[in-house]
Amino acid sequence: DGGITQSPKYLFRKEGQNVTLSCEQNLNHDAMYWYRQDPGQGLRLIYYSQIVNDFQKGDIAEGYSVSREKKESFPLTVTSAQKNPTAFYLCATKTQGTRQPQHFGDGTRLSIL
Amino acid sequence: DQQVKQNSPSLSVQEGRISILNCDYTNSMFDYFLWYKKYPAEGPTFLISISSIKDKNEDGRFTVFLNKSAKHLSLHIVPSQPGDSAVYFCAASAPRGGADGLTFGKGTHLIIQP
Repeated sequence: DGGITQSPKYLFRKEGQNVTLSCEQNLNHDAMYWYRQDPGQGLRLIYYSQIVNDFQKGDIAEGYSVSREKKESFPLTVTSAQKNPTAFYLCATKTQGTRQPQHFGDGTRLSIL
Repeated sequence: DQQVKQNSPSLSVQEGRISILNCDYTNSMFDYFLWYKKYPAEGPTFLISISSIKDKNEDGRFTVFLNKSAKHLSLHIVPSQPGDSAVYFCAASAPRGGADGLTFGKGTHLIIQP
């Protein structure tokens, strides 16, 4: 079954701990993205990657880190430096070329206790 | 500084009528625009898009109109159906070295009334 898998659906962590969110895709898409959504807000771009071993900061990268060691995987680490980490995190992928839509996973809701 | 604005947080429309969702943008570099539909606790689902070289794109019940001079786009859904009730996000893309990350509006909650 093709698609974008984000796990887990819900994640709870204590304040001060780093936490890693998983995003896996079998669509063979080159580009991958991480966004966060806060209540009543639109999605905001955290990081993106066009190819393996390369990634760029988005609009709100502070307090986050990523890696892209495999084409299929783009994990996001929320570090203790992120001041307000509680949010809904969404991963997206896109095929090559401009003017192509991004397709989204079902998200991970992170809550810091 | 919000570059993509959806000024109506919610919109209520009767089943069978036309739903019109509006979006304004400020960044002249945006060259590709998209509409997504989202249910709670799920990821957005792509609906329809339009390139800046066009002024209209149609796909079934969904039509997107782009007015570049006014920096305005709209999504028309006709006829509206109960399953259309969701939050609709307008998004825009400007080239970022080819990766074109999206800038989103805050969304409009569309409610279709029977």
